[in-house]
Amino acid sequence: NAGVTQTPKFQVLKTGQSMTLQCAQDMNHEYMSWYRQDPGMGLRLIHYSVGAGITDQGEVPNGYNVSRSTTEDFPLRLLSAAPSQTSVYFCASSSVAGGLTDTQYFGPGTRLTVL
Amino acid sequence: EDQVTQSPEALRLQEGESSSLNCSYTVSGLRGLFWYRQDPGKGPEFLFTLYSAGEEKEKERLKATLTKKESFLHITAPKPEDSATYLCAVHIGGSEKLVFGKGTKLTVNP
Repeated sequence: NAGVTQTPKFQVLKTGQSMTLQCAQDMNHEYMSWYRQDPGMGLRLIHYSVGAGITDQGEVPNGYNVSRSTTEDFPLRLLSAAPSQTSVYFCASSSVAGGLTDTQYFGPGTRLTVL
Repeated sequence: EDQVTQSPEALRLQEGESSSLNCSYTVSGLRGLFWYRQDPGKGPEFLFTLYSAGEEKEKERLKATLTKKESFLHITAPKPEDSATYLCAVHIGGSEKLVFGKGTKLTVNP
């Protein structure tokens, strides 16, 4: 199993550009989520999904869109990049048992710089 | 407001010098508490899950414990390869969300 994979590893954007961060998992996990990590802030939840076709907002959703068309993939879209979105982005996934999510496993991250 | 606080922010130890990291939380309902290790430039790596007060888990030189208000990560006779940032996260009842602390950066000198 590859676990949780993310592409690209690094990305530089100009203000106003759009892009999609890719996340895939091969563990058949129902739950997937996106976090951003900033110095001194800890990990903050952006969006999450409890299954294909179901998404919801986390703590810091503004400026980001998600969709979940398959169990395996959960892309994160930046519609119009801003310097405040410079961060390291992590995708995570987890199984769901009895309606409850379990331990979340993280990908290697995407380091995004917006100029 | 749900909060997770880790202390200290940074800890420097000599090889073999045991110590503990603290994670205190104020949440409306605890469904689980997680410890992760994060190396520079990498994603968090899962260490432990604790579900109820009094629970303990061990892995090599690490031991995690849980009370009703806090969790400790005890490191016994640490080695330089234990150097990393240790993250604590709380899974809140009635929610699918994890709330993370800001982490403790551990440095173990040879």
